[in-house]
Amino acid sequence: AQSVTQLDSQVPVFEEAPVELRCNYSSSVSVYLFWYVQYPNQGLQLLLKYLSGSTLVKGINGFEAEFNKSQTSFHLRKPSVHISDTAEYFCAVSRQGAQKLVFGQGTRLTINP
Amino acid sequence: EAQVTQNPRYLITVTGKKLTVTCSQNMNHEYMSWYRQDPGLGLRQIYYSMNVEVTDKGDVPEGYKVSRKEKRNFPLILESPSPNQTSLYFCASSRSASGDQETQYFGPGTRLLVL
Repeated sequence: AQSVTQLDSQVPVFEEAPVELRCNYSSSVSVYLFWYVQYPNQGLQLLLKYLSGSTLVKGINGFEAEFNKSQTSFHLRKPSVHISDTAEYFCAVSRQGAQKLVFGQGTRLTINP
Repeated sequence: EAQVTQNPRYLITVTGKKLTVTCSQNMNHEYMSWYRQDPGLGLRQIYYSMNVEVTDKGDVPEGYKVSRKEKRNFPLILESPSPNQTSLYFCASSRSASGDQETQYFGPGTRLLVL
């Protein structure tokens, strides 16, 4: 079985500052990795995903994430955040060949002016 | 516009009163799934469907039923709701049920309060 741990439940940052949201996973088989964003009162939207190939994955809205197999991590980063990035962010994994997503607990990103 | 729709968006009900939350997608997707979102727990899968008439339990299926009679619809049924089913529910769909991971598209959510 797979599991995901998001190490921070809340992350407050100032506008234009860099941010890193941390995600660690455990699995005995190869996995795919995802970051989803949930804006207030909306559904989830895919930010980026890692399936194979380059370990640095670029997503929408200037976000990127790096897959680190040895540390079983998939941290999300953005060099300069905006007020509009205020949202909850979910890391998720799925077993290769399967559709089921296993989500982390979520990280609430708050941007202060 | 390609989308997943859910109805109702908000629902307040009482313990034991049967309810159905509808989910519909217009993308001809094979795979559909229901999740519930609770604070501090993220999203957990309730049921999923690989195609018409093919459904299976997820991680938290107790107290829920589903059906998949048509490809586009995947209703979630609570036969006898209880307060511990108060939650935010999301329906999701993806193009294929097998092979490489397909992007899952999520509905806007249904917020349910069971008194």
